[in-house]
Amino acid sequence: QKEVEQNSGPLSVPEGAIASLNCTYSDRGSQSFFWYRQYSGKSPELIMSIYSNGDKEDGRFTAQLNKASQYVSLLIRDSQPSDSATYLCAVKAGGTSYGKLTFGQGTILTVHP
Amino acid sequence: GAVVSQHPSRVICKSGTSVKIECRSLDFQATTMFWYRQFPKQSLMLMATSNEGSKATYEQGVEKDKFLINHASLTLSTLTVTSAHPEDSSFYICSAYGTSGSNEQFFGPGTRLTVL
Repeated sequence: QKEVEQNSGPLSVPEGAIASLNCTYSDRGSQSFFWYRQYSGKSPELIMSIYSNGDKEDGRFTAQLNKASQYVSLLIRDSQPSDSATYLCAVKAGGTSYGKLTFGQGTILTVHP
Repeated sequence: GAVVSQHPSRVICKSGTSVKIECRSLDFQATTMFWYRQFPKQSLMLMATSNEGSKATYEQGVEKDKFLINHASLTLSTLTVTSAHPEDSSFYICSAYGTSGSNEQFFGPGTRLTVL
């Protein structure tokens, strides 16, 4: 079983729709969860971080965390063509791991006009 | 957010040569730096973790004698790909974690290495 697994995609949504990206993780001791966006040929950029169960909203983005189910998701409302990218879920291990992140395989999102 | 730079952004070299990639934290002290490699259409794979002043910790399957990492100061880490071969061609990305006041890692812009 992969440590961090994302819904396989690719995901295609029309402009203005809600895009839903999902991620599960295997380490119950994980404490910090991140969503990164990566455009082709570029390095990842942080979209959202979440540490507590529940929802966290930032503009059009909402991250949801359920530690009991070991599940984290990202919702993108009013999707725009500029949101088309690969979205990476990353999980930071607990303990003295110096911030080491484990990434999921990524989900390619395409928002079509 | 904090800024991390990488140099060079792109390098093309002949097989058998060594290539050095620099990663700098510009406005904070990076107590820990991470080096990732990303092949086309794949996710980031952590290669090694380096803490300032100590030896790097390499992930399983990464050859420490081939990928030399030096983290000599709180703002600079270097990755040297020794005797590079075409299969080492990849996108190398560093990230830094430290005294920025944030819990997140800050990523550099990446270095595209092509070995002919």
